[in-house]
Amino acid sequence: SQQGEEDPQALSIQEGENATMNCSYKTSINNLQWYRQNSGRGLVHLILIRSNEREKHSGRLRVTLDTSKKSSSLLITASRAADTASYFCATDRGETSGSRLTFGEGTQLTVNP
Amino acid sequence: DAGITQSPRHKVTETGTPVTLRCHQTENHRYMYWYRQDPGHGLRLIHYSYGVKDTDKGEVSDGYSVSRSKTEDFLLTLESATSSQTSVYFCASGPFFESGYTFGSGTRLTVV
Repeated sequence: SQQGEEDPQALSIQEGENATMNCSYKTSINNLQWYRQNSGRGLVHLILIRSNEREKHSGRLRVTLDTSKKSSSLLITASRAADTASYFCATDRGETSGSRLTFGEGTQLTVNP
Repeated sequence: DAGITQSPRHKVTETGTPVTLRCHQTENHRYMYWYRQDPGHGLRLIHYSYGVKDTDKGEVSDGYSVSRSKTEDFLLTLESATSSQTSVYFCASGPFFESGYTFGSGTRLTVV
């Protein structure tokens, strides 16, 4: 079963607008990560937020984490056509044998020029 | 995708045949992973490795085996391919605990 669930499943916006994607998960976590996947390509790591952090920024990305609600959001500001991709959240429960990420099904973001 | 290469990129095979997918990383990462990606299921973990010859099962390991004889190589074997194993397979690696993964470009496998 999937640990993370993204919302919405698909999002279409105009260039320059902000895009917000949400992720909910079920169990306690050590950290939560966001990845981007362009069509036909592998996933690219965007940002990692630890369970004791509430907000993190990286360039045009802003990630929040609410462990009490078991949810996270990814905000992309001033979107560009090149941001068109699928975005996945992934949770790491911090197993004793090491890191194992559990992925959600992703949000398909389309940024129209 | 720099640092991880998967081979082959595409493969068509017949039901019942064994298939081996290869993953090679040049990042000297300790952890390596095999995922499959299917519509409606996202990415699901098949097997992972936390060191040379140290491997463990993920959530969808039935019908798959792995081997890691060197830090840089992680092999995934479908012992007897079935149509349900038609999927896109991704290899990933990570250097240490609490780090982002580096993904390969994927292998598209079709079992006919």
